[in-house]
Amino acid sequence: EDQVTQSPEALRLQEGESSSLNCSYTVSGLRGLFWYRQDPGKGPEFLFTLYSAGEEKEKERLKATLTKKESFLHITAPKPEDSATYLCAVQGTRRGQNFVFGPGTRLSVLP
Amino acid sequence: EAEVAQSPRYKITEKSQAVAFWCDPISGHATLYWYRQILGQGPELLVQFQDESVVDDSQLPKDRFSAERLKGVDSTLKIQPAELGDSAMYLCASSYFPGPGYEQYFGPGTRLTVT
Repeated sequence: EDQVTQSPEALRLQEGESSSLNCSYTVSGLRGLFWYRQDPGKGPEFLFTLYSAGEEKEKERLKATLTKKESFLHITAPKPEDSATYLCAVQGTRRGQNFVFGPGTRLSVLP
Repeated sequence: EAEVAQSPRYKITEKSQAVAFWCDPISGHATLYWYRQILGQGPELLVQFQDESVVDDSQLPKDRFSAERLKGVDSTLKIQPAELGDSAMYLCASSYFPGPGYEQYFGPGTRLTVT
């Protein structure tokens, strides 16, 4: 069975204090790994898709990387507006396989 | 920028009552998903449509939940009767294609509270 875990569950950073969020996954063949940002009371907002180990993608202060067992979301010099829950999801290669989401990491960036 | 529309944004209902949610996906997106998200957890898939056909409803509690997408565009998710445990955020998402690796775009969600 496909599984996704995320750590830490919650993270508090000072503005400008860089850090990384982890997404560990077990899937029978990876079709894609997806990162989303979710603000309280809103739907998830798409950030990145990663397809193969070694791939990296960047957007503003965020950089996502992928290995065969995990993905990292690196946040460089975060600002308070980066505060949100970050969700990771995987999609496997089995026919009809859909997204499996992790529980998310709640990030708080203090001014 | 095109967005997934959902209504209502909030719904409070008493247990045993019927409740319905509506979703209008991004234009041109053939695949539509309904998810349930309990506070503090990731979204869990309830049902997936490809055009007007259901392709995955294995996690849908069919004794009380139903979903339809009659013309292959907008969709309705219904709960009858609602139970206290149904309180959650109900999210609709759409994608251009069911995969592989096609990202899903989410609507703002409907927050359901069952009293």
